[in-house]
Amino acid sequence: GENVEQHPSTLSVQEGDSAVIKCTYSDSASNYFPWYKQELGKRPQLIIDIRSNVGEKKDQRIAVTLNKTAKHFSLHITETQPEDSAVYFCAAFLYTGNQFYFGTGTSLTVIP
Amino acid sequence: EAQVTQNPRYLITVTGKKLTVTCSQNMNHEYMSWYRQDPGLGLRQIYYSMNVEVTDKGDVPEGYKVSRKEKRNFPLILESPSPNQTSLYFCASSLKPGGDEQFFGPGTRLTVL
Repeated sequence: GENVEQHPSTLSVQEGDSAVIKCTYSDSASNYFPWYKQELGKRPQLIIDIRSNVGEKKDQRIAVTLNKTAKHFSLHITETQPEDSAVYFCAAFLYTGNQFYFGTGTSLTVIP
Repeated sequence: EAQVTQNPRYLITVTGKKLTVTCSQNMNHEYMSWYRQDPGLGLRQIYYSMNVEVTDKGDVPEGYKVSRKEKRNFPLILESPSPNQTSLYFCASSLKPGGDEQFFGPGTRLTVL
């Protein structure tokens, strides 16, 4: 199967600074990489995703980059705000098995 | 309103007492999944379904069963729950697997004593 590793497990930044969360995967058959935000007591919600034929995708303050050769992808949040505080999960979809594999999560705290 | 619903939201039960957690979506999605979320382990896929009558094991299927008799419903069955199945469970659905947004249900907090 697939193995997705996510770092760091916790991250604190000052409001207005950038935050970067990194994930690696092991199986080159993974072809879809979503990122989810989970606020305390809530369900995970998709914030951005990227397919394996794309290197970078941006949506306002959020961007994701993918390096297929190195098998890693990253979430970039710029101009962080207190409402960005949450747990973020990366995931990889292994198309050969139609399965999702998640990272262990990053707890982001944005300090006002 | 497009949504994924789960019931119950909270459940405390005892070892060995069969239980079912229901999941329903109203978006005509083909792909449905069950996940469990445990501290420090992220979300792990238990079972998934590509369509009606098509189900398959995820990463952690032991102790669980599922069925997909109708497109909208995907119940999770614990035939003989054990304390190590105490967890937060999420149902999710997407139009197609791997490329479409997965919508998650509100979660079911299960405690097995």
